[in-house]
Amino acid sequence: ETGVTQSPTHLIKTRGQQVTLRCSSQSGHNTVSWYQQALGQGPQFIFQYYREEENGRGNFPPRFSGLQFPNYSSELNVNALELDDSALYLCASSPEDSGNTIYFGEGSWLTVV
Amino acid sequence: AQSVTQLDSQVPVFEEAPVELRCNYSSSVSVYLFWYVQYPNQGLQLLLKYLSGSTLVKGINGFEAEFNKSQTSFHLRKPSVHISDTAEYFCAVSVGNFNKFYFGSGTKLNVKP
Repeated sequence: ETGVTQSPTHLIKTRGQQVTLRCSSQSGHNTVSWYQQALGQGPQFIFQYYREEENGRGNFPPRFSGLQFPNYSSELNVNALELDDSALYLCASSPEDSGNTIYFGEGSWLTVV
Repeated sequence: AQSVTQLDSQVPVFEEAPVELRCNYSSSVSVYLFWYVQYPNQGLQLLLKYLSGSTLVKGINGFEAEFNKSQTSFHLRKPSVHISDTAEYFCAVSVGNFNKFYFGSGTKLNVKP
C-alpha cells in the first residue's frame, strides 16, 4: 500500500477528445510526477510538480498538462488525444525527505480509439 | 543524458533456481539506482535501491543487487525463485535530488513449476 490513489482505473476515449486523470497522494507528499507506460515499455517521465509548480518536464508536447493542488491531489490533462496516447498513466509522489524514493499508484489505463 | 538498458526482455526459469536480471546504465554524473517490480495490472513496487555506501543492496522478497561502477551495472539476483516472483522487473536511475526517473524497458520473469 503506497498511499497513492489514481482514478479512473480504466477509460476509453475517442481520438481528438480531452481526458483528465486524477491522483491523490499521502499528506506531506509535496512532489508528484506523472509517467506514461506504453504497452511493452518502461515508464517515461512526463512532468513533475513541486508545491503546485511544474519543475521538470520530459519529452512530451504541450497538450500534456498538469495541476497540483494544496490537498496533495493532482491532475494530468491530455488534449487532442491521439491513438499513440493509449497507455498506462502512472502517478508517483514523494515526501520532502524521500531519499529519492517515489511511491507509485496503480495507474490509469487509457485507450484511445 | 541518462539511459538504462535491460539486456533481457524475457527470462524463463524453473522454480527454486537462481536468477539474474541484468541492467546497465549510462550517465555522465553520479546516479541513484533502483529496481521496481510490476505485477499484472498493477503499479510499480520498489524492490530495492542504491543511494550510496555498500555496493551490495538487499531488498524485499529475497532479492539483492550489486552496484558495479566500473561496469555501470546494477544486476538483480535471487538465489531461489518462487512462482509468485513471476512479474515484470524494471531497472531505473535518477540523478541528484530531482526525482526524475529513467526506466529500462523491463524484463519479464516467468517462473515455471
